[in-house]
Amino acid sequence: GAGVSQSPRYKVAKRGQDVALRCDPISGHVSLFWYQQALGQGPEFLTYFQNEAQLDKSGLPSDRFFAERPEGSVSTLKIQRTQQEDSAVYLCASSGSGNPYEQYFGPGTRLTVT
Amino acid sequence: SQELEQSPQSLIVQEGKNLTINCTSSKTLYGLYWYKQKYGEGLIFLMMLQKGGEEKSHEKITAKLDEKKQQSSLHITASQPSHAGIYLCGADRRDSNYQLIWGAGTKLIIKP
Repeated sequence: GAGVSQSPRYKVAKRGQDVALRCDPISGHVSLFWYQQALGQGPEFLTYFQNEAQLDKSGLPSDRFFAERPEGSVSTLKIQRTQQEDSAVYLCASSGSGNPYEQYFGPGTRLTVT
Repeated sequence: SQELEQSPQSLIVQEGKNLTINCTSSKTLYGLYWYKQKYGEGLIFLMMLQKGGEEKSHEKITAKLDEKKQQSSLHITASQPSHAGIYLCGADRRDSNYQLIWGAGTKLIIKP
């Protein structure tokens, strides 16, 4: 089937604007992860869902970041009042019930805050 | 902060030459995952290693996990332009909620 998809691929926001990033995981995948990747760095964990339950949000950098997965499939990462330090690539990954660590990634959303 | 050390940070290799990328952890790993990333794209899963001493190959790429399960190497034989990209190792240390801990990546450039 289709892989993980993310939209938009690129987003430019003015400082202070709210943004919403969407992730469509692989169909049937139970686990969904959001990562933040700064230029030249590996991904940094933001949050993890198992079905619709957000089991870990310890990586969210501030209360301006909010993620949801209301029906256990599509997920949205929302960033309120964007700041320049939020500029990064936001990656979504999903994994099946077999091995949650074997994660399949979407192409990412490159967010630039001006 | 990066809890996995990858070396080298970048590598320029003549097409056709072999190369090795390393990934080292200070803690024992339950699993080590190699991914490749091209600019503007997501991470592509390459291989997973879970047992000490395990070795896996896919086409011209071979990955090994040492017996202590703290170090992994990725070896490319007879490199091709299609191998260019950023190679990332991700680790399962079983001390987190299914999240992978990542190295900073190795940028590989293949000179024709």
